[in-house]
Amino acid sequence: NAGVTQTPKFQVLKTGQSMTLQCAQDMNHEYMSWYRQDPGMGLRLIHYSVGAGITDQGEVPNGYNVSRSTTEDFPLRLLSAAPSQTSVYFCASSYSRGRPGELFFGEGSRLTVL
Amino acid sequence: AQTVTQSQPEMSVQEAETVTLSCTYDTSENNYYLFWYKQPPSRQMILVIRQEAYKQQNATENRFSVNFQKAAKSFSLKISDSQLGDTAMYFCAFWGQGAQKLVFGQGTRLTINP
Repeated sequence: NAGVTQTPKFQVLKTGQSMTLQCAQDMNHEYMSWYRQDPGMGLRLIHYSVGAGITDQGEVPNGYNVSRSTTEDFPLRLLSAAPSQTSVYFCASSYSRGRPGELFFGEGSRLTVL
Repeated sequence: AQTVTQSQPEMSVQEAETVTLSCTYDTSENNYYLFWYKQPPSRQMILVIRQEAYKQQNATENRFSVNFQKAAKSFSLKISDSQLGDTAMYFCAFWGQGAQKLVFGQGTRLTINP
């Protein structure tokens, strides 16, 4: 199994550009989420989804959009990139029931906004 | 809102020594889950150990064990016989009932020296 796959792994953007971080999982997980990791701040939740067609905001949702049209995919869109969005982004998934909080993470995507 | 605090930004020990990482959290919930995640230099987040708040017995996974003090809202990780491969960033995390999100601490960077 591939697990959780994120693309791209590295990206450099200019302020104002838009882009989409892709996330796919092949474990039939209902729950998917996006976190950003910044030095000294741990990981903070951006958006999450408990199933296809259902999304909700996390702790730091501003400047990001998500959609969940299938169980497998959960893309994160930056509409107009800002330097404050320079970060490492992680997609994570899990079963909604049974063992809550046990997340499977992707390898991360390092984004730099100039 | 739940918060998780890791007061040790960095720690360093010699190989084969025992090391304890501290974590405190704040919640008004009675049922929840606590985790330690490891992030090695490869950046991949890996689940180390999980504790269910309603279980009084401390969780153990091989060389890793926790000291869960529910009344004190404390959740420390002990690594016995530390190995070079334990060098990583360690994150304490909290999952509340119905919250649908993992709340992370700031992380502790652990270095195991030969």
